[in-house]
Amino acid sequence: QLHLQESGPGLVKPSGTLSLTCTVSGGSISMGAFYWSWIRQPPGKGLEWMGSIYYLGYTYDNPFLRSRVTLSIDTSRNQFSLNLNSVSATDTAVYYCVRQAQSNLDYQFDHWGQGMLVTVSS
Amino acid sequence: QSVLTQPPSVSGAPGQRVTISCTGIPSNIGAGYDVHWYQQLPGTAPKLLIYHNNNRPSGVPDRFSGSKSGTSASLAISGLQAEDEADYYCQSYDSSLGGEVVFGGGTKLTVL
Repeated sequence: QLHLQESGPGLVKPSGTLSLTCTVSGGSISMGAFYWSWIRQPPGKGLEWMGSIYYLGYTYDNPFLRSRVTLSIDTSRNQFSLNLNSVSATDTAVYYCVRQAQSNLDYQFDHWGQGMLVTVSS
Repeated sequence: QSVLTQPPSVSGAPGQRVTISCTGIPSNIGAGYDVHWYQQLPGTAPKLLIYHNNNRPSGVPDRFSGSKSGTSASLAISGLQAEDEADYYCQSYDSSLGGEVVFGGGTKLTVL
């Protein structure tokens, strides 16, 4: 059974960088059939796709966040990561790491991590 | 403001049928891209409910069904049960701005 788990600081200072890692277990991140993605949800609000990465390192990101988002992948550790710089209070959200069912942005997200609340505050 | 438009809330009595709409534009649903639906119970991660417009993952009851036509899609829930009370989100792909995954704003289903 595939399992995804987010980890990282739960509190980030304004103007700082939010860094999260997703550890995948129960399956290899190097299987070429999938995209590995980050989706966030501000408290009480809807879902926002942040970006997706392929095991070879190709990335696809939200055009509205593109200048602040960096995605990376470490196949040796079966992990992928998110960096979001210049954060403000509006970046406070639950961050989910997610598997997209095919290496195609048109496809569904079929496995989700439990989510991690990251608060931006001084 | 979400790219896909959903009603903020719907409600129904146990046993009834409700539908949730998801309205897009020519660069997403109208361009032929598929629609997927998620159910989010309070305090939990979203769960895939319908994929590629009208397909159910294993374990999802056949009370849940999806459809798509033109620039819109719909999720129907029949035989409403108390445990269906949740937030529901639609998702598609938008080809403008270089391409992105887009979500609806979510619909809160209340079982009366």
